Amino acid sequence: ETGVTQTPRHLVMGMTNKKSLKCEQHLGHNAMYWYKQSAKKPLELMFVYNFKEQTENNSVPSRFSPECPNSSHLFLHLHTLQPEDSALYLCASSQDLDRGGSPLHFGNGTRLTVT
Amino acid sequence: GDSVTQMEGPVTLSEEAFLTINCTYTATGYPSLFWYVQYPGEGLQLLLKATKADDKGSNKGFEATYRKETTSFHLEKGSVQVSDSAVYFCARRAGNTPLVFGKGTRLSVIA
Repeated sequence: ETGVTQTPRHLVMGMTNKKSLKCEQHLGHNAMYWYKQSAKKPLELMFVYNFKEQTENNSVPSRFSPECPNSSHLFLHLHTLQPEDSALYLCASSQDLDRGGSPLHFGNGTRLTVT
Repeated sequence: GDSVTQMEGPVTLSEEAFLTINCTYTATGYPSLFWYVQYPGEGLQLLLKATKADDKGSNKGFEATYRKETTSFHLEKGSVQVSDSAVYFCARRAGNTPLVFGKGTRLSVIA
């Protein structure tokens, strides 16, 4: 049990579909993150939320739309994706953004395949 | 910008061999340093961390020492096991900036 739960674990979607990834943390953390992990590429930070406010958008295409209704939940809404968006999407949380020593806690990820 | 450089993999070792995975970092902002591990089919897990110069992080037989003079944070283990097979990520974080990861090093341990 990692304390950060992501659903679904696997998702296959067509390019015209709309789907959402969900992340929930039970650690009492205030910061939450979305990362993209593709084969043979470094981990890419996508979005950062701190106390429900988005603090970073790393030039992510608008077909990815994050939502953070409260400090425990984070969503990634997907629409009109491309095959190159197929990847493992990892959610993470940390106590907050202001302490450099605060580690991230990751979920097990959603393996997304776009057909 | 801030960055972390770690040795290219894959690394293949026999069981009970000595492991070193090199990591160097940019020193701006007095960063904290981390090693994360990712087992197959899972997310990343914190393995160990060090928050200031000369600190040694350790966990599960793994160690890494924060070396300010060489801007390094090399991961070591004296005797690896098959269960250590995973991808290892070095990372740095300073202040309120997001964590910056290296590209990861895949370790395969064979019996």
